[in-house]
Amino acid sequence: ETAVFQTPNYHVTQVGNEVSFNCKQTLGHDTMYWYKQDSKKLLKIMFSYNNKQLIVNETVPRRFSPQSSDKAHLNLRIKSVEPEDSAVYLCASSWAGGDTEVFFGKGTRLTVV
Amino acid sequence: AQKVTQTQTSISVVEKTTVTMDCVYETRDSSYFLFWYKQTASGEIVFLIRQDSYKKENATVGHYSLNFQKPKSSIGLIITATQIEDSAVYFCAMSSGTYQRFGTGTKLQVVP
Repeated sequence: ETAVFQTPNYHVTQVGNEVSFNCKQTLGHDTMYWYKQDSKKLLKIMFSYNNKQLIVNETVPRRFSPQSSDKAHLNLRIKSVEPEDSAVYLCASSWAGGDTEVFFGKGTRLTVV
Repeated sequence: AQKVTQTQTSISVVEKTTVTMDCVYETRDSSYFLFWYKQTASGEIVFLIRQDSYKKENATVGHYSLNFQKPKSSIGLIITATQIEDSAVYFCAMSSGTYQRFGTGTKLQVVP
């Protein structure tokens, strides 16, 4: 099966903890993304990686750090989570430039208590 | 700066009718790409249809079609013969050359 796979599906943690989310795509794409979807369903780009190189970092707080070991993997680490980090984090992939359809994972729902 | 705006927050239609969802965009690029996606109740986001700015013909895929009005920077999504399972949130997106920027979404409810 070719798709974008995210783990975990859900994560509940306390303020100040560190969390990590994993993402893998088996579509052969050269570009991966992290989007954040808030409670109002707003989808905002966080990071874009092309062949392990960071291309886009859209005014994301420094406690967020993406990590890419190869073009098929893009993880997201959040150091010292805050309540406003509660959201669904969606990993996605496509061919470079965003000019072709983007394939999304099923998301990781983070709840910070 | 690029911007994608969906002014309709939610729409309710009767099954088997036609619905149009609006989307306007802002860009300085002469060539760009527009997309519509659907997010189901489970949270899954899937691609539906795309329009390349240099193409004059409106794209059509199955019971989805687009109303592309370039002078108005508008790309409406038309769903004909709606079905209950079309109930979802629909997002319009525009490619910025490095990633896709999404609108705020329109929630569609199809009722019997």
